[in-house]
Amino acid sequence: DTEVTQTPKHLVMGMTNKKSLKCEQHMGHRAMYWYKQKAKKPPELMFVYSYEKLSINESVPSRFSPECPNSSLLNLHLHALQPEDSALYLCASSQVLSFGGRTDTQYFGPGTRLTVL
Amino acid sequence: GQQVMQIPQYQHVQEGEDFTTYCNSSTTLSNIQWYKQRPGGHPVFLIQLVKSGEVKKQKRLTFQFGEAKKNSSLHITATQTTDVGTYFCAGTYNQAGTALIFGKGTTLSVSS
Repeated sequence: DTEVTQTPKHLVMGMTNKKSLKCEQHMGHRAMYWYKQKAKKPPELMFVYSYEKLSINESVPSRFSPECPNSSLLNLHLHALQPEDSALYLCASSQVLSFGGRTDTQYFGPGTRLTVL
Repeated sequence: GQQVMQIPQYQHVQEGEDFTTYCNSSTTLSNIQWYKQRPGGHPVFLIQLVKSGEVKKQKRLTFQFGEAKKNSSLHITATQTTDVGTYFCAGTYNQAGTALIFGKGTTLSVSS
């Protein structure tokens, strides 16, 4: 099973709303990632968790707040977003973050398409 | 910062023609991965290259990693309409815990 699931598939929210994106994997992977992808652009890394600890934060605004409750789950809490935050939010996982200086293969979920009004 | 350059940005071919996309880095990569993203879909892992000069094949797809580990290519022979999508290379540099750096992608369209 190489599946990463994400909910919801689509989300529309106002700038004053609070919402959460969820990601789940049951492959025993210990590294999990959040990416943001705008149309016709590559995925941009936001956060990386390794063994449930935040390993990388790519200077993401505080209106995005990640959480890793356990090794299978990854959440992204959203608050006071801006219209420019509208994008496809992708979750990915890998067995480990890296080994021997090499990044491990990442398996992406289908994404949550977020629209901020 | 470190960047992975990818060209061309777009490529249109007739079905049956070949297609190649190229990635280049100014500094040595530890490894490079290739992903395919279909329209409306999410990136799907294709392959990882680690060794200098490595060549790997998957049916009509041939992946190469340069001798200096600074460039890579993906070549598709005799394209089919199912090859449509955006192909991303993503590299890692020799730093523990460094995540992938994606190229901008090459979007392939195929007409029959």
